[in-house]
Amino acid sequence: AQSVAQPEDQVNVAEGNPLTVKCTYSVSGNPYLFWYVQYPNRGLQFLLKYITGDNLVKGSYGFEAEFNKSQTSFHLKKPSALVSDSALYFCAVRGLGGSSNTGKLIFGQGTTLQVKP
Amino acid sequence: GAVVSQHPSRVICKSGTSVKIECRSLDFQATTMFWYRQFPKQSLMLMATSNEGSKATYEQGVEKDKFLINHASLTLSTLTVTSAHPEDSSFYICSAKSFLDQPQHFGDGTRLSIL
Repeated sequence: AQSVAQPEDQVNVAEGNPLTVKCTYSVSGNPYLFWYVQYPNRGLQFLLKYITGDNLVKGSYGFEAEFNKSQTSFHLKKPSALVSDSALYFCAVRGLGGSSNTGKLIFGQGTTLQVKP
Repeated sequence: GAVVSQHPSRVICKSGTSVKIECRSLDFQATTMFWYRQFPKQSLMLMATSNEGSKATYEQGVEKDKFLINHASLTLSTLTVTSAHPEDSSFYICSAKSFLDQPQHFGDGTRLSIL
């Protein structure tokens, strides 16, 4: 079965410090991985994706993620956090098998990032 | 680019009424649209997947007669919550995508409150 895990409910960092939001996955075959961010009472905004190619993927707003096949991880990172980065972050993997022709996503449970001034 | 507009953003109505939520892709053609429900501080729960011109595929446990989905064009999908009751109160979010390898782009959600 395909699944995504975000082991931390909340991550707290100080502004200016690097941040990491963790994500691990379990899929058959090669994964298609995504990160989204959600601000209060809003939909999700796409940050970045990994499909193939370089393991380090750069995305919007200075975020990047590193695909690690041996550890089945896709952690989200940013070198210097901003207070405005405070939000809810979701990791997702595209479902395979019967859903592969529609691109259905399987989401992690979400991690709240709190950046303090 | 890749903007998805969802309307209305908030609706409050009495129990027993039906509510329609629209999801539009403004600058791309959406071959597939998705409808999600999100409870407070929880992840998104996929309700159904719809492809333009065909019937929606509902996830297990989602009542298709309760949540009617129409995807009549490549830029518009609607979700109608029929005979809504307080337990249907939730945050509903749509998303749309064009080709297989493209990411889903999300609307801003609809806060539905049934009194």
